[in-house]
Amino acid sequence: AQSVTQPDIHITVSEGASLELRCNYSYGATPYLFWYVQSPGQGLQLLLKYFSGDTLVQGIKGFEAEFKRSQSSFNLRKPSVHWSDAAEYFCAVAPMDSSYKLIFGSGTRLLVRP
Amino acid sequence: EAQVTQNPRYLITVTGKKLTVTCSQNMNHEYMSWYRQDPGLGLRQIYYSMNVEVTDKGDVPEGYKVSRKEKRNFPLILESPSPNQTSLYFCASSFNRATTEAFFGQGTRLTVV
Repeated sequence: AQSVTQPDIHITVSEGASLELRCNYSYGATPYLFWYVQSPGQGLQLLLKYFSGDTLVQGIKGFEAEFKRSQSSFNLRKPSVHWSDAAEYFCAVAPMDSSYKLIFGSGTRLLVRP
Repeated sequence: EAQVTQNPRYLITVTGKKLTVTCSQNMNHEYMSWYRQDPGLGLRQIYYSMNVEVTDKGDVPEGYKVSRKEKRNFPLILESPSPNQTSLYFCASSFNRATTEAFFGQGTRLTVV
């Protein structure tokens, strides 16, 4: 079945530490890939997206993500986390055969220790 | 300022009482969609619209209706709300397809008692 998996429900990191949030997808062909961030009480904001080309994608707020076809993964990274990064992060895919649909993972809540 | 506006932000209603959640965007986007967010389930797509008068079901359309009479507006209608529709709802728009950046409203917290 087609799915998007974010295996970590919660992650806690110390401010200044590096961060990696995992995302795996299960589709027949490589879909379009996205990471969104949801700050408390807010809507979602696009961090970055991957359609094709360079597998390392740069986004806003210092985030990057790497697409690995062999692992069907699109993990989000940040070298040094700031307290303001505390939020919920969603991986999403738009299947190529149905690009009017955007399918989200269940989200990872990031907590940042001072 | 480019934005997607949802109203109301919070709503408590009773089972069976029809309600409408409005969504409006000022970016002249063709594509709009509705999602519900539930703990542990992420966001699930309810309905989407590719343009005026063109709508289609998402993954969880049961109990909901939508209309797209104007490009800027995409209301979500619950004809007979039930407690299992208690959720956080988001409207989103993008230029033309789900593959372009989606802009989200701030959400509507709906409680059905």
